[in-house]
Amino acid sequence: SSELTQDPAVSVALGQTVSITCQGDSLRTYYPSWYQQRPGQAPLLIIYSRTDRPSGIPDRFSGSRSGNTASLTITGAQAEDEADYYCCSRDTSDNPYVLFGGGTKLTVL
Amino acid sequence: VQLQESGPGLVKPSETLSLICAVSGGSISSYYWTWIRQPPGKGLEWIGSIYYSGRTNYNSSLKSRVTISVDTSKDQLSLKLNSLTAADTAVYFCARGDSGYGFSYFDYWGQGTLVTVSS
Repeated sequence: SSELTQDPAVSVALGQTVSITCQGDSLRTYYPSWYQQRPGQAPLLIIYSRTDRPSGIPDRFSGSRSGNTASLTITGAQAEDEADYYCCSRDTSDNPYVLFGGGTKLTVL
Repeated sequence: VQLQESGPGLVKPSETLSLICAVSGGSISSYYWTWIRQPPGKGLEWIGSIYYSGRTNYNSSLKSRVTISVDTSKDQLSLKLNSLTAADTAVYFCARGDSGYGFSYFDYWGQGTLVTVSS
């Protein structure tokens, strides 16, 4: 079956820009969604479709895709952005049908 | 829209887990509805989804053990997972899904309920 690959951990200095990447063959066909998860909380949708953000998500979060790689970029990272980030996509096969990346732990220094 | 999971926090091995997700603030008779789980300290795993048409899709790794259904009269989503083992210990989330051409996403999530499989 297909999979989505993320770097396990990324760090960024406060106020700087960081990109979290997600790789997988399904991304050639489907745009991913991105979720932020703080400890003890449910995941929160932050990016969907091409680069859409739900209401209330700061515009420092943006998404992009090129080939089989998608990126979540945080421009001017804040302390509250420290969290786990997951990409998610439909699969191009019938199973598992929905894929999640393994998650990236973002540390804001 | 609010989602609230409920169910037993502790289940014995080989037994069946039954969880309910109550949906409020929106109709369950549209969109699609999904169960996702997260073992302690690990990532998210899609369990399966049910569409308002009643069509279901399940993760192939769980397909033989899982049933997802919707009760539109009660605005509830349910999950049944049988033949439990310790590997099924996880936080179980319900979520609302939506999609368009070339994309899909989960925009509302419950807070999750921890299920521990242990004798």
